[in-house]
Amino acid sequence: SAVISQKPSRDICQRGTSLTIQCQVDSQVTMMFWYRQQPGQSLTLIATANQGSEATYESGFVIDKFPISRPNLTFSTLTVSNMSPEDSSIYLCSVIQRDRGRSEQFFGPGTRLTVL
Amino acid sequence: RKEVEQDPGPFNVPEGATVAFNCTYSNSASQSFFWYRQDCRKEPKLLMSVYSSGNEDGRFTAQLNRASQYISLLIRDSKLSDSATYLCVVNFWAGGSYIPTFGRGTSLIVHP
Repeated sequence: SAVISQKPSRDICQRGTSLTIQCQVDSQVTMMFWYRQQPGQSLTLIATANQGSEATYESGFVIDKFPISRPNLTFSTLTVSNMSPEDSSIYLCSVIQRDRGRSEQFFGPGTRLTVL
Repeated sequence: RKEVEQDPGPFNVPEGATVAFNCTYSNSASQSFFWYRQDCRKEPKLLMSVYSSGNEDGRFTAQLNRASQYISLLIRDSKLSDSATYLCVVNFWAGGSYIPTFGRGTSLIVHP
């Protein structure tokens, strides 16, 4: 199974600033996903990050607000730019691994962001 | 219309009870199906995959009905430790990759 770490685990930020979240996986994976989970809500996919290409953003999310880097097959960053209180959420990095024809999605522990 | 729908609950049941959750999905191109468990302030973790033939893992049974586009999770002999949010996940193939779509989760509270 994939082991995923995220930094920071939590942060409190002022509005208008930006925060970059790092995601490190212990194995090489093709696709990495970034999710947001607001209190009491399910996970909302922000974007899919493939190594060597531009990230694919879901409806309602744009690159200027959530720029993503994917420099290699084990690492990705998500930046939350020009933050507002509405960006307060848990941000989760995720990968899908396939083994013997079966796939499983693994998640990082999440980054808990509070914007004042 | 939301692509994956679940009753948010909470389902409040006594220990030893049997409880069932349903999840419906709207995308008929959906390829694979899962139940995840999420504990408070933790990341989701895979509980079980859902296969067309249905599958059982101890006290947990998952079923898939492609014709009606729903999946179910049955928990028998509930334990206090089963208290959590159960997320239905549907993957569909689009643009050359699997896109995982989550339901909003069903909250289960098992009480003594």
